Parts: sequence; structure tokens; C-alpha cells
Amino acid sequence: QVQLQESGPGLVKPSETLSLTCTVSGGSVSSASHYWNWVRQPLGKGLEWIGYVYYLGASNYNSSLSSRVTISVDTSKNQFSLRLTSVTAADTALYFCARGPTIFGPIYGFDIWGQGTLVSVSA
Amino acid sequence: DIVLTQSPGTLSLSPGERATLSCRASQAVDSKYVAWYQQKRGQSPRLLIYGASNRPTGIPDRFSGSASGSVFTLTISRLEPEDFAMYYCQQFDRVLTFGGGTKVEIK
Repeated sequence: QVQLQESGPGLVKPSETLSLTCTVSGGSVSSASHYWNWVRQPLGKGLEWIGYVYYLGASNYNSSLSSRVTISVDTSKNQFSLRLTSVTAADTALYFCARGPTIFGPIYGFDIWGQGTLVSVSA
Repeated sequence: DIVLTQSPGTLSLSPGERATLSCRASQAVDSKYVAWYQQKRGQSPRLLIYGASNRPTGIPDRFSGSASGSVFTLTISRLEPEDFAMYYCQQFDRVLTFGGGTKVEIK
């Protein structure tokens, strides 16, 4: 079955760039039926959608983060990635990658999630 | 953006009881774009309900979802010990948003 695995540094300095990668196994990031998402969760708090990418490269972001976020896809490696620039302590969170539907559905829900990776922003 | 307000913030119940969780949208949302998730401590969220009332394969039938106008409800008919967790609603109708969550705790 499809599995997702996040990877990347667990510690980033303030004002620097957070970079994470999600590797898709047991399936293909080139699926025409799915968007590939990033979601974050500050410890002890709720879920915040960051954005998604489609295998052809189209993307969409949460407006509150859009000036700092880029999500990209590498079909040759079956991966997609998150870049978040100019980070502050407020960006400290557990970061999840998740598979979601395109606008055509049919399952409007994130049906596959990675286990999450904790990123701390600190000098 | 559409704001999803979940209530109550915490629900204290005993195993075997019925749990009713509410998610109210600030604007009209097509119910086919509403999902519910369960998240246990230290785990990723798990999709419980999509399209307001559909269960993915493997989700027990004690979990059910319904919609009435802009209010969406998740019902757990009889709480099992493993059901004590956080629950989040989500909407895809416009810019994707999550609700703030309801904690179902053991009374």
C-alpha cells in the first residue's frame, strides 16, 4: 500500500529556510487522481494546511503562508518537497505530508499520511 | 476563508457511551467536501469520514457522519477504549481549512 515518509533537518535557525522532503513508496507521485499536501501541527495544537502540489507541477498554498512557501515535485525520485523561508519560532511544529484528492475527488479527504517530522526553529 | 468551529472543545464520556461532535462552518459548505479525522497522541491523523457521511474501508461502523445546513456531526455510537482521542473536521469547498478539534477523553 502507499506509504509516505518525511525527511529533513529537525532544527533550523531563525530567518533561515526549512526544507523537507516526502518520499512516496508503494505508489506513484505521478497519480492523476491526487494532490500531495503538507500539513503542520504546533505541539499540542491543531492542524494547519500548508499547501499542495500536483505531479505536473501546479501548486496551491494557504494564503497565510503563501509568501514564504514553495512546494515542488520530483517525479523521477517519487518525492515532493516543502520549502518555507524566513522561519521564526512560530514555525516550530510537527510537519506531515499527506495524500489528498484533486478537485475531481472522489474521496475528499487526506487518506494517507506520513508519520510526521518535528522541526524546531531555534538559534 | 471558511472557519470551522468544533464543539465542544472537550467531551468527557465513559466507554460504551455515545459521542456527538459538532463542526459548524462560517459559510455554506457542500457536504461532499467535508471530512473527519481521528488523531491519537503521537500519531498521524486518520481519515474517518469523507463526503460528510462516507467511511473509508476499514473504519468501524460505530463512526458515522451527518450534515444539516452548515453544521456537520460526527457520532460514535458506542465508545471503545481506543476511540478516546482528538477529532478534527476539514473542508475542501474553497481554501482548505481544519476545525480546531474536539478532545474525547475518558470520564
